[in-house]
Amino acid sequence: AQSVTQLDSQVPVFEEAPVELRCNYSSSVSVYLFWYVQYPNQGLQLLLKYLSGSTLVKGINGFEAEFNKSQTSFHLRKPSVHISDTAEYFCAVTMAGGTSYGKLTFGQGTILTVHP
Amino acid sequence: NAGVTQTPKFQVLKTGQSMTLQCAQDMNHNSMYWYRQDPGMGLRLIYYSASEGTTDKGEVPNGYNVSRLNKREFSLRLESAAPSQTSVYFCASTDPGTRHEQYFGPGTRLTVT
Repeated sequence: AQSVTQLDSQVPVFEEAPVELRCNYSSSVSVYLFWYVQYPNQGLQLLLKYLSGSTLVKGINGFEAEFNKSQTSFHLRKPSVHISDTAEYFCAVTMAGGTSYGKLTFGQGTILTVHP
Repeated sequence: NAGVTQTPKFQVLKTGQSMTLQCAQDMNHNSMYWYRQDPGMGLRLIYYSASEGTTDKGEVPNGYNVSRLNKREFSLRLESAAPSQTSVYFCASTDPGTRHEQYFGPGTRLTVT
């Protein structure tokens, strides 16, 4: 079984500052990793995913994440945030290869609040 | 493409009432999922359907039943609602062998009083 821990439940930051949202995972098998964003009163939207290959993954809206297998981490970063990035962010994991039928295990979520 | 649609958007039930949440996807995906979202707990899998004609329990199945009506539709039923089922419910779909990421509906906000 997999588990995901998002290390910060809330992250306040000022506009144009850099931000890092931390995610650690636990699994005995190879995994695929995802970051989703949820804007207020909406569903979840995929930001980026790591399947294989380069450990630095670029996503939408200027976000990127780095897969670190030795530290079992997949931290999300953005060099300069905007007010519109205010949302809740979820890290998720599934077993690689599709053998888990795509079932996702989610972290608890991190609320990013960008202040002017 | 509408993607994943869910009805209703909002619902208030009294304890003991029943209801069915509807979900449909138009992306020809094989697999569909139901999650519930509670503050500070992320999303937890209730049931999933790996393919048409199959369903299986997820992490929190108690108090729920599902039906995979056809490839497009996957419904979630609460037979006797309880206040502990107050939550936001999300349906999602994917093709695990090709897409990997899931596509989510807009959610149903359910309150049980």
